[in-house]
Amino acid sequence: DQQVKQNSPSLSVQEGRISILNCDYTNSMFDYFLWYKKYPAEGPTFLISISSIKDKNEDGRFTVFLNKSAKHLSLHIVPSQPGDSAVYFCAASKDSGGSNYKLTFGKGTLLTVNP
Amino acid sequence: GAGVSQTPSNKVTEKGKYVELRCDPISGHTALYWYRQSLGQGPEFLIYFQGTGAADDSGLPNDRFFAVRPEGSVSTLKIQRTERGDSAVYLCASSLGREGLLKFFGPGTRLTVL
Repeated sequence: DQQVKQNSPSLSVQEGRISILNCDYTNSMFDYFLWYKKYPAEGPTFLISISSIKDKNEDGRFTVFLNKSAKHLSLHIVPSQPGDSAVYFCAASKDSGGSNYKLTFGKGTLLTVNP
Repeated sequence: GAGVSQTPSNKVTEKGKYVELRCDPISGHTALYWYRQSLGQGPEFLIYFQGTGAADDSGLPNDRFFAVRPEGSVSTLKIQRTERGDSAVYLCASSLGREGLLKFFGPGTRLTVL
């Protein structure tokens, strides 16, 4: 039972355009969400996070939107750059109770940004 | 080093053998985590150490898996009687305390069980 779903295995965009990566979750106990970027042969790199008390968090070119009622979040990258080409993972945790180290990850979306 | 390091980067073994995977966390980080990423999947939680003790080992799949962190720094993940299904990338992460935000992952050890 996949509790965090990234339904698009891959996404291709042109340099300078917006990349939108989507993530859905089923467990209503999740209240903290993170996005990671992963290059081949490297570990995941933390990008941005959002608590369920917010609906938007922005950091430079990266913005994460959370829609709790729809159990949906998205990562927007504007403008996209070729160096953004990587696998992006959505992850969720139950922040309350101190178990926020126990992340549930999606399967990832491979983003390719074409020059 | 500046980041989390893991050795070896690649390990090929035969079914039934014993393997050890090592993680060197960022200096001063008291919390250490092991995750496993199987092919086509996202990482899955295995175990969390706070200092020398395993605070949460609920993600270890069975008793063939064991991890230690005797001095509160380096950790070793041990897998006995390896099976083909153990083939995966084993990731380690560390953090300053139990603030829980996993920012720093190592590059992983790719384990292949033939």
